[in-house]
Amino acid sequence: ELKVEQNPLFLSMQEGKNYTIYCNYSTTSDRLYWYRQDPGKSLESLFVLLSNGAVKQEGRLMASLDTKARLSTLHITAAVHDLSATYFCASGTSYGKLTFGQGTILTVHP
Amino acid sequence: EAGVAQSPRYKIIEKRQSVAFWCNPISGHATLYWYQQILGQGPKLLIQFQNNGVVDDSQLPKDRFSAERLKGVDSTLKIQPAKLEDSAVYLCASSSLRATGTGVRSYEQYFGPGTRLTVT
Repeated sequence: ELKVEQNPLFLSMQEGKNYTIYCNYSTTSDRLYWYRQDPGKSLESLFVLLSNGAVKQEGRLMASLDTKARLSTLHITAAVHDLSATYFCASGTSYGKLTFGQGTILTVHP
Repeated sequence: EAGVAQSPRYKIIEKRQSVAFWCNPISGHATLYWYQQILGQGPKLLIQFQNNGVVDDSQLPKDRFSAERLKGVDSTLKIQPAKLEDSAVYLCASSSLRATGTGVRSYEQYFGPGTRLTVT
């Protein structure tokens, strides 16, 4: 059974600081997705990583994928309050099934 | 482009009652998914359709949950009878197969707003 584990599960950051969320998955997969969820809202796609060594950046967020280590990271640079949300990673199969991690609740405070 | 539509947005029922949720995917998306998201957890796939055929329903509690996708477009998810532990947000998502420059196919999924179910 595929397992996806994120850490930390809770992250409290000061504005302007940097931090990384880690996502480990248990079986071979070359598709890794990151989503954002605001309270009471649905999931918004952030990044799709499809090959070993893939790196994508959007604003203050950068995601990377290491398929050999079965590890993806989401790096936050100079955090701002608007980034406060829950972030999920999900590992995908070749036919589209996603297995999600538990989510990381990020709170950015002044 | 219109997003994934779901209704109702909220539903409160008593245990042992029945409930149905409706989903209309993004136009042209052949793949449709139903997820259950319990408070504080990540979404869990219940069932995946490709057009109107089932691809994966291994985590669907078939004794009480059923789903159909007639004509390969809209879908309904039904719970009968509901239990307290079915309280969750039910998310519908859709995707289309997209070829990428690396040769790896992407199934980026787009999620609807969800239906929040409370079973009392």
